[in-house]
Formats: sequence, structure tokens, C-alpha cells
Amino acid sequence: EVQLVESGGGLVQPGRSMKLSCAASGFTFSSFPMAWVRQAPTKGLEWVATISTSGGSTYYRDSVKGRFTISRDNAKSTLYLQMNSLRSEDTATYYCTRRDGYCFDYWGQGVMVTVSS
Amino acid sequence: DIQMTQSPSSMSVSLGDRVTITCRASQDIGNYLSWYQQKPEKSPKLMIYGATNLEDGVPSRFSGSRSGSDYSLTINNLESEDTGIYFCLQHKQYPLTFGSGTKLEIK
Repeated sequence: EVQLVESGGGLVQPGRSMKLSCAASGFTFSSFPMAWVRQAPTKGLEWVATISTSGGSTYYRDSVKGRFTISRDNAKSTLYLQMNSLRSEDTATYYCTRRDGYCFDYWGQGVMVTVSS
Repeated sequence: DIQMTQSPSSMSVSLGDRVTITCRASQDIGNYLSWYQQKPEKSPKLMIYGATNLEDGVPSRFSGSRSGSDYSLTINNLESEDTGIYFCLQHKQYPLTFGSGTKLEIK
């Protein structure tokens, strides 16, 4: 059974950093690109970043480029999102998701990040 | 960026109804379009991929279609478990973009 379990969220002050993790199991992690998608409270879904199977290619939305870094450790079957210089508008539930072809077929339960002083 | 204009934003329908939700792409996205259902406090669930392909385990009353730049999700014979918010996603080019969502409720 495919499982994606996020961790690392919580309350953080504006300008500070936070690192999210996503532990994957039930599939060959190194064979799938992975992504982070977020959802602000009562809002829609917003793609954040995608990473290739090897980690050699990464893609970001403009609003997080230069502040967020997506990475992966295939040996540990874990996806990461390092978030620096956090802003109030980054407040959201962050989902880890597996890319299969041209869709996201499995999603984690989500982890809440609240950026507030 | 490719804009995905989703309509309607909400629908109140009756059990057994046929429901159609549409996303219009601002640029050509081919069939790189998927649909997701999200229940309250839950993560999204893939329903349709490649514009017309039903994900394994999704009931056959769900279907996807394309007409030019318009992509539709249709639910036949609506059941109570089909309530939730539905989103489309284009995966043609970065940044990936979602539709704004359609909230489906039962009358």
C-alpha cells in the first residue's frame, strides 16, 4: 500500500525557516518524481514544487523560487521541502504527492504550516 | 502561465442527477489534464487522468471528456458520496495550475 506521511509543520514566525519531510512507503520511491502542493485555509490547491527521480531537476512556482528548496533522499525514501524567509502568505496545508505520468496519483494527509508572529 | 478557468464554482444538485463540471485552458494543454475530488479535511483524490482515463477504483459513473480547450468531468446518477470539491489540474507546463474548484452539494 502506497503511503506518504508528512511531518515538520507547525507555527513559525515570519522570516524564519521550516523543513517539511515526507516519508514514502509501499512503492519504489526512486522511480517517481515527487511534488509539494499547498492549500491555504478555505482556498484552492496550489502547486509549489516538483523534483525529478534523481533530484537533478527541480521546478518551483515563482512565489517560492529562491526561498524554498525541494530535495529527496532516495536511500531513505523521503522527500523534503526546506522553506526559508517564510511569509504569512505561505500559511497553508502542505501535501506531498507522487507524480505518475502527468497526474498526481497519491497524496499524503497534509501538514499545516502557520506563519505568524 | 496557463490559466484554468473552472465552472461553476458551486452546484446544488439532487441524487440521481447528471453533473458536468468544466475547465477551460488558456493555452493548448493537449490531454495533460486531471481531475481530483477533495472531501472536507481530506487530501485530494485522483479521479481522471489524461483528460479521459478513469483512475483505478473510481466508479464508472465518473467520466472525463475534451472539446477543444474545454475539459469536462461528468458524474452520472449522482450519489451522496460524490459531494465534495472538484479540481482540475493542467500538467502540460510549469507552473502547474489548478482550476479554482467546484463545490458539489446535494439539495
